[in-house]
Amino acid sequence: AQTVTQSQPEMSVQEAETVTLSCTYDTSENNYYLFWYKQPPSRQMILVIRQEAYKQQNATENRFSVNFQKAAKSFSLKISDSQLGDTAMYFCAFLEISNFGNEKLTFGTGTRLTIIP
Amino acid sequence: NAGVMQNPRHLVRRRGQEARLRCSPMKGHSHVYWYRQLPEEGLKFMVYLQKENIIDESGMPKERFSAEFPKEGPSILRIQQVVRGDSAAYFCASSRTRTGANEQFFGPGTRLTVL
Repeated sequence: AQTVTQSQPEMSVQEAETVTLSCTYDTSENNYYLFWYKQPPSRQMILVIRQEAYKQQNATENRFSVNFQKAAKSFSLKISDSQLGDTAMYFCAFLEISNFGNEKLTFGTGTRLTIIP
Repeated sequence: NAGVMQNPRHLVRRRGQEARLRCSPMKGHSHVYWYRQLPEEGLKFMVYLQKENIIDESGMPKERFSAEFPKEGPSILRIQQVVRGDSAAYFCASSRTRTGANEQFFGPGTRLTVL
């Protein structure tokens, strides 16, 4: 079974600074996807960024980028020029690609990020 | 294009009652997933359904929980004889096809409180 570990329960950073959230995972699969989801106080789950395991290039979405280290099974999220609206819970998630139709996301326990004005 | 709809947003039940949670996927999406989030925890997979079929229910408790996704109408997650431990936020997600390249879009969740 896949596991996802987020070792930082809480983090805080000053507005406009850069912050990195860590995530490690364990799998024996070679084909999979990794995601970062954001959950603000509204509790809506919002996809932040996605990485395909077969792509060596790290994904980037505006201020958000990842450092994907496949051999180390590490998938960290970097938020540049942090904004107050980035305050939220951040969840790392893993999706195995299966021929049997099992398309379930496995989530980490989350990191609560607070951006300080 | 409306997003994933869930209702009710909040549901209060007394122990022993039944809870019915509804999920309408995004237009054109035929794959539905249910997840449960206990307080201060991440989401845990419960069940994956396509129209009229349960594909994977490995995350569903063996008793009292059931799910369906009929040909017409929303997907329903039913919890019979609720207990306090069922209090959680229940999220539904949908995707156009099998995921991977296709994102799972999440609804706003239903917060179930069992008194």
